[in-house]
Amino acid sequence: GESVGLHLPTLSVQEGDNSIINCAYSNSASDYFIWYKQESGKGPQFIIDIRSNMDKRQGQRVTVLLNKTVKHLSLQIAATQPGDSAVYFCAEGGGADGLTFGKGTHLIIQP
Amino acid sequence: EAGVAQSPRYKIIEKRQSVAFWCNPISGHATLYWYQQILGQGPKLLIQFQNNGVVDDSQLPKDRFSAERLKGVDSTLKIQPAKLEDSAVYLCASSFGPRDTQYFGPGTRLTVL
Repeated sequence: GESVGLHLPTLSVQEGDNSIINCAYSNSASDYFIWYKQESGKGPQFIIDIRSNMDKRQGQRVTVLLNKTVKHLSLQIAATQPGDSAVYFCAEGGGADGLTFGKGTHLIIQP
Repeated sequence: EAGVAQSPRYKIIEKRQSVAFWCNPISGHATLYWYQQILGQGPKLLIQFQNNGVVDDSQLPKDRFSAERLKGVDSTLKIQPAKLEDSAVYLCASSFGPRDTQYFGPGTRLTVL
């Protein structure tokens, strides 16, 4: 089964509100976590990453939180815009390997 | 900086035919990955190269899939013969090193009829 998963397949938010997308992982050995955004017909686009020695990392309008105790990762998007509409994937990595992706959450922005 | 390039963008073939995909990574990136993304799912790693050597191909169906990166830059992924369940988007990604951020290309959408 998947070692990385997302709690909700679809998340609908009002434009201007904050979005929170959650992810659970099961591999305790993973030490690198990444959020990707994938728009229809495009490849995944890097948003933000976090190493296991950190709890929080901020970017432009995005924040990633890592809770290693409960193996939980979240992506917060501030002031959600229509251009944020996409499928969001969390992925985990450990060692020098490729990434393991979850199933994705489709973020829908309502006007 | 130019991104990861892939071609073709779309390919339609019949089952039992052969197909090849091409990837040109970001300049200077030593690590190259091929992922398979089935509709509605996240990408799944098929093979990872470090320069021209294979690091991990444990999830590559070797009876029909092959990949090479002969000169440590461009890579090709081949399927021979294709099956219906191979219909997917094939994504190429590259990174500076094996523990660095992976950047993805636009993918090749394969439809097997």
